[in-house]
Amino acid sequence: GAGVSQSPSNKVTEKGKDVELRCDPISGHTALYWYRQSLGQGLEFLIYFQGNSAPDKSGLPSDRFSAERTGGSVSTLTIQRTQQEDSAVYLCASSARSDYFVAHNEQFFGPGTRLTVL
Amino acid sequence: AQSVAQPEDQVNVAEGNPLTVKCTYSVSGNPYLFWYVQYPNRGLQFLLKYITGDNLVKGSYGFEAEFNKSQTSFHLKKPSALVSDSALYFCAVSSLGGGGFKTIFGAGTRLFVKA
Repeated sequence: GAGVSQSPSNKVTEKGKDVELRCDPISGHTALYWYRQSLGQGLEFLIYFQGNSAPDKSGLPSDRFSAERTGGSVSTLTIQRTQQEDSAVYLCASSARSDYFVAHNEQFFGPGTRLTVL
Repeated sequence: AQSVAQPEDQVNVAEGNPLTVKCTYSVSGNPYLFWYVQYPNRGLQFLLKYITGDNLVKGSYGFEAEFNKSQTSFHLKKPSALVSDSALYFCAVSSLGGGGFKTIFGAGTRLFVKA
């Protein structure tokens, strides 16, 4: 079956421009996560969607970052007025359960979007 | 506060030798522990997890990990390393606490296996 897909795979933009990154989770997965990975570094949690609950936005680094998830499926991460420090690989992941046992479930990652801000 | 530490940025091992990639954690509730691997130019893949039960868990590609509650560790091991195991490995911990569900990833350990 299809895995998590992300688009675009690469995005080059100029400082100050807005960008939108898209994530299509695995069908039926109710939990969706966004992470940021700087070159050769670990994963920085950004935001977590769980079913119809309010998202956990505690990892968003500034108010320039926002995300939404429409219809409980596709998610879009938007970065406004991009800065050079926003350059990174943005990873999306999904997992199967949105109830109490969500902590038990492994996450399935997409290939990422490599964002370069010039 | 919840945290994960991978004390080694890099581990070097010769092919055929056993390998260990270390991970320690700190959580306020029950820990749910995971290992993921990131091969060059590929996405992260799940390797194995500990939820409850037997402290030794087995996963993909011949990897295993041992949960040690007293030492708050979850080290990844493989009896005989392959060159193809060279990759970036991440330990992660999930927990359900007063702040709800959280998953934290370690900084990653780069494994180099030499032929």
